[in-house]
Amino acid sequence: ETGVTQTPRHLVMGMTNKKSLKCEQHLGHNAMYWYKQSAKKPLELMFVYSLEERVENNSVPSRFSPECPNSSHLFLHLHTLQPEDSALYLCASSQGHRGSEQFFGPGTRLTVL
Amino acid sequence: QKEVEQNSGPLSVPEGAIASLNCTYSDRGSQSFFWYRQYSGKSPELIMFIYSNGDKEDGRFTAQLNKASQYVSLLIRDSQPSDSATYLCAVNMDNYGQNFVFGPGTRLSVLP
Repeated sequence: ETGVTQTPRHLVMGMTNKKSLKCEQHLGHNAMYWYKQSAKKPLELMFVYSLEERVENNSVPSRFSPECPNSSHLFLHLHTLQPEDSALYLCASSQGHRGSEQFFGPGTRLTVL
Repeated sequence: QKEVEQNSGPLSVPEGAIASLNCTYSDRGSQSFFWYRQYSGKSPELIMFIYSNGDKEDGRFTAQLNKASQYVSLLIRDSQPSDSATYLCAVNMDNYGQNFVFGPGTRLSVLP
């Protein structure tokens, strides 16, 4: 595997379900990111991890919970989501989180029923 | 509010022409600037980055940066139908990852 991978690629879940999105980077980077991309809206940065330390983003609802066990893996745990949370969730990584270009995974298309 | 603005388009150009994509940003202290291409249903793909005022060329692509005017552009020479995509401008506003702000994107259509 090369680059940034994400699983699953597609996910349909009910509002009462709990699911997790997984991201893995094979680039030797030390910073990872979660973005949300909704139709007709700019990419929204959700969370940043640098050297496995989380940078808080207070605008993200608590029903989204990130986890970064090491510099290669990033998870986004989902629970009691709303239909408006349906979107493409993108993971990215970079070498350092200060001004470096970010490389994206293929994304997880999430539909909340 | 730190913002990055782009015309949403669509911008239509004939095959072989030059496509010019523009982006303005609100934070004068911004340090680094990126252009991504996103095909429909796919994730963004980095095309170019630029840090210094002036032009930076890579093949058919030229990025232009004017920090005084808070303006960055992307020129695509000899446009091809395969260049049809949404182009996202991203600005790192204070050299921290949490202030990496994307514009809404400009949809480019290259007509054969």
